[in-house]
Amino acid sequence: QVQLVESGGGLVNPGGSLRLSCIASGFTFSDYYMSWIRQAPGKGLEWVSYISIDGSNADYADSVKGRVTVSRDNAKNSLYLEMHSLRAEDTALYYCTRESTAADYWGQGTLVTVSS
Amino acid sequence: EIVLTQSPATLSLSPGEGATLSCRASQSVSWYLAWYQQRPGQAPRLLISDASKRATGIPARFSGSGSGTDFTLTITSLEPEDFAVYYCQQRRTWPPGTFGGGTKVEMK
Repeated sequence: QVQLVESGGGLVNPGGSLRLSCIASGFTFSDYYMSWIRQAPGKGLEWVSYISIDGSNADYADSVKGRVTVSRDNAKNSLYLEMHSLRAEDTALYYCTRESTAADYWGQGTLVTVSS
Repeated sequence: EIVLTQSPATLSLSPGEGATLSCRASQSVSWYLAWYQQRPGQAPRLLISDASKRATGIPARFSGSGSGTDFTLTITSLEPEDFAVYYCQQRRTWPPGTFGGGTKVEMK
């Protein structure tokens, strides 16, 4: 069955950095676009970034553009999100999702807390 | 940017009752609309894509309809596990694929 398992979240000071990871299994990872979607505590869903099948194309929400880089390693069935210059408003649960005509599978999320 | 407005914000119903959730787009998204369910403490899961196509394993009591700017998610005869928050997402312009603010279906 399809599984997406995120890791790498934690408590970080404002201005700090984190690298989130997502390991995929149960499907051919290299056949799918992938996204990161986040959810601030008690709030709704916000798309953060996507990456194309071979990693040649990516895009970012305006709220994170210039501070975040998405990448993937198809040989390792892995998706990554490098986050820099973190702000309090980046505090959220970050989900890795598989993309088809919708975000059809979601991981359980990894929590990023930006606070001093 | 396409804005999605979901209504009502909260729906108070009893098990066995039907639910009708609305999602309105600020401009046409054709049929490129998805619905997700998020139970408390869980990740969202896909219910409906392309306005009316049920995702794998989704019970038939969930149905989606609409096109253009007005969409509806209907749940016939609510089960206890259906009390959750429901989000719509437009896929007409993806990325970013904006989400609506959500409708909470709570138990009366």
